Amino acid sequence: GDSVTQTEGPVTLSEGTSLTVNCSYETKQYPTLFWYVQYPGEGPQLLFKVPKANEKGSNRGFEATYNKEATSFHLQKASVQESDSAVYYCALSGTSGGNYKPTFGKGTSLVVHP
Amino acid sequence: NSKVIQTPRYLVKGQGQKAKMRCIPEKGHPVVFWYQQNKNNEFKFLINFQNQEVLQQIDMTEKRFSAECPSNSPCSLEIQSSEAGDSALYLCASSQVDTGQLYFGEGSKLTVL
Repeated sequence: GDSVTQTEGPVTLSEGTSLTVNCSYETKQYPTLFWYVQYPGEGPQLLFKVPKANEKGSNRGFEATYNKEATSFHLQKASVQESDSAVYYCALSGTSGGNYKPTFGKGTSLVVHP
Repeated sequence: NSKVIQTPRYLVKGQGQKAKMRCIPEKGHPVVFWYQQNKNNEFKFLINFQNQEVLQQIDMTEKRFSAECPSNSPCSLEIQSSEAGDSALYLCASSQVDTGQLYFGEGSKLTVL
């Protein structure tokens, strides 16, 4: 079956430093890749998605490139803020026929100190 | 601001009691998922529906868990006889067909004493 492996947290950073959260995946299909973010007390929400290989997704200063050859989708941000403290999930999903089951990584908790 | 509405936000049950959670998917989304999120933030897929029909479900769901998505009524997930290991955040998500993108509710946090 499908699987997603991402950086084990917690990741603790100071404001203004750079972030990389690694994500690698295994699947036999050609998936769409996602990053979701979950703030305390809330459900996960989409950060961005990338449906095609070699394309980049971005939102709120976060970005990731769909690398099909390396089966990776690493999340990066040049300068984190305290408000970025949350849990980040890498996920993949097929999109054909409606009979799909998105697969999530175990989440990476990010704590940003002022 | 979630457009997927889950109720209740919190529920506390004793072992052996029933626990029922409801979900109103986002308007126009025919696909509904239920996930269990444990205290380590890990997601476990439970079941999904397209309209009123079950697409996939795991063994756990088939035994003590029941779920439905009737037309014109909220979807629901019910645990027939709660166990301590069922304590978790239960997340409902909805989606359009063929996008793979999920829209989550805020979850129902179940505590089984």
